[in-house]
Amino acid sequence: GENVEQHPSTLSVQEGDSAVIKCTYSDSASNYFPWYKQELGKRPQLIIDIRSNVGEKKDQRIAVTLNKTAKHFSLHITETQPEDSAVYFCAEGVGGGYNKLIFGAGTRLAVHP
Amino acid sequence: DVKVTQSSRYLVKRTGEKVFLECVQDMDHENMFWYRQDPGLGLRLIYFSYDVKMKEKGDIPEGYSVSREKKERFSLILESASTSQTSMYLCASSSTGQGEKLFFGSGTQLSVL
Repeated sequence: GENVEQHPSTLSVQEGDSAVIKCTYSDSASNYFPWYKQELGKRPQLIIDIRSNVGEKKDQRIAVTLNKTAKHFSLHITETQPEDSAVYFCAEGVGGGYNKLIFGAGTRLAVHP
Repeated sequence: DVKVTQSSRYLVKRTGEKVFLECVQDMDHENMFWYRQDPGLGLRLIYFSYDVKMKEKGDIPEGYSVSREKKERFSLILESASTSQTSMYLCASSSTGQGEKLFFGSGTQLSVL
């Protein structure tokens, strides 16, 4: 079955540093890999996603890379700011029209001023 | 803007009670999902539905059932609540053919005593 491993579970950085979160998936058929951010007390929201036909995608200070051969993908946040502090979840999308997502366990990122 | 509304933010029930969690979305989305969120375990899929009256088991369906009688409404039912079902429950919806982006409700924190 599908399984997503996410590391690290907690990450603490100084403001301005970079943060990297890594995920490994098991299903070769997975073709969609989103990242969700959940701020304290709020609902998860999509911040960036990547499909299996590309290796990297960037959106301002965040980027996601995908290595299909190794079955892992990573979230990169540059020039971190205190408002980046949140729990980040990776997920793999298993095909089909209903778009089922399997999530990792989450990474709690703390950005210290 | 898509709105996914969960009927209760906090709920306290007793062991053995039958519990209904309601979710309504206003964007005519085909797909609806129920996840539970527990610290260190991320978001785990309980059930999902890709059409009215259709349902599929997720990764942890035991002890739960669902109902989708109308397109906009997806109910999660705990037939006989147990303390192990104390958790945050998140409903989400998505549209087939418009990407796999999930829109989450604000969650229901259920405590079973």
